[in-house]
Amino acid sequence: QKEVEQNSGPLSVPEGAIASLNCTYSDRVSQSFFWYRQYSGKSPELIMSIYSNGDKEDGRFTAQLNKASQYVSLLIRDSQPSDSATYLCAVVASKLTFGTGTRLQVTL
Amino acid sequence: SAVISQKPSRDICQRGTSLTIQCQVDSQVTMMFWYRQQPGQSLTLIATANQGSEATYESGFVIDKFPISRPNLTFSTLTVSNMSPEDSSIYLCSVGTGTSNQPQHFGDGTRLSIL
Repeated sequence: QKEVEQNSGPLSVPEGAIASLNCTYSDRVSQSFFWYRQYSGKSPELIMSIYSNGDKEDGRFTAQLNKASQYVSLLIRDSQPSDSATYLCAVVASKLTFGTGTRLQVTL
Repeated sequence: SAVISQKPSRDICQRGTSLTIQCQVDSQVTMMFWYRQQPGQSLTLIATANQGSEATYESGFVIDKFPISRPNLTFSTLTVSNMSPEDSSIYLCSVGTGTSNQPQHFGDGTRLSIL
């Protein structure tokens, strides 16, 4: 079992819709959870951090964490073509571990 | 957040040669890390660069292949030694923002191709 699992996609959503990206992790002692956005040919950019159960909102982005289910998600509201990228879920237990990423395509 | 400069940004090298990648940060940071991102894959931690002592390597990575230096709190280098085509990858430097539970920020990466 991979430590951090994501659906590789591509996830295709129309412009203006809500994109929902999901991530599960295996280590129950994980304490910190991050979402990074990576455009093609670029390095990962941190977009959200979440540390406790529940929702955390920042602009059009909402991160959701459920430690009991070992599940973290990222919602992107009013999706824009500029949101098209690969989204990496990253989890800290003993070290920062990345999922393989979900490729999001926002279509016009 | 800290500004992280990495160079070279890309290189094409011959097999059997070595390349040293530099990472410079505009402020002192406690934690610096080196990652590899192979084509179409996610990031894999190579090692933690420790200031004033040997780097801490992850399973599957060895010092002879990936020697790392960290002479001060703003600079580190990663050398990819005796390169083969399997070493073709993006190599990324990152810095920690506080404790180990805090996120990391990444440099722009070095795209390395081995012929």
